[in-house]
Amino acid sequence: SQKIEQNSEALNIQEGKTATLTCNYTNYSPAYLQWYRQDPGRGPVFLLLIRENEKEKRKERLKVTFDTTLKQSLFHITASQPADSATYLCALVVNAGNNRKLIWGLGTSLAVNP
Amino acid sequence: GAGVSQSPSNKVTEKGKDVELRCDPISGHTALYWYRQSLGQGLEFLIYFQGNSAPDKSGLPSDRFSAERTGGSVSTLTIQRTQQEDSAVYLCASSFGAGELFFGEGSRLTVL
Repeated sequence: SQKIEQNSEALNIQEGKTATLTCNYTNYSPAYLQWYRQDPGRGPVFLLLIRENEKEKRKERLKVTFDTTLKQSLFHITASQPADSATYLCALVVNAGNNRKLIWGLGTSLAVNP
Repeated sequence: GAGVSQSPSNKVTEKGKDVELRCDPISGHTALYWYRQSLGQGLEFLIYFQGNSAPDKSGLPSDRFSAERTGGSVSTLTIQRTQQEDSAVYLCASSFGAGELFFGEGSRLTVL
C-alpha cells in the first residue's frame, strides 16, 4: 500500500541543538517533496521544496535532504530556538494524470526547550 | 489582501443545519484546495480545483459536502445537514500551478 510516515512521537530537544525530523514513504514516485510548519490554531506555512533530482536544499538554519533510493527525506533545524517549536508536515507531490497530487504526512511535533 | 482569506473564522451551528464556508485565494493562483483537520490530526484532503478543469472531488466524505469555485477565484464549501462528526477546522489553500501551497487560517466549525 502507499503511505507516508513521519515521526509519530513528539521531539523534545534543548535550545541550540540540531533537530532532525524524518519523512518516509513507500510505493510513490514523487516529483518533489515539500516541508511545512504549522503552529497551533494556524494554517500550515511553506518552508522548503526539494525536487527528486536534488540531494540537499538549504535555507538559513534549515536543511532538507531527499534520498529517493531510501524513500526518505530528513529535515534539519540547526541552532534550534524555542520559537522553532511547532508541528512540521511533509508533503509528497506525485503526478496523477494531468494533475499533481499532494500526499501529506501527519506531522511531527517539535518542542525546543530553553 | 495578500494572503488566502477564509470566513467565517469560527462557526457554531446546530446539528442538521447547513453551513457555507468561504475561501478567497491569492489573486492569480490557479489551484485551490480544501482540507479538513480535526484536533491533533493530519490534513484530510477534500477537494481540488485547477483552472478550468473538472475538480477532483475524491476526498469529499459524503454527498452532504459540496464545493464550487466561481470565476476561477472565490470558493464556497457547503455542508448540508451538518453532523457532530463534521466538527473540525476547514482549511483552504491556493497555489500557482504545482508550486507551494498558501494556506488560510481556517474556519473552525463546531456542530452542537
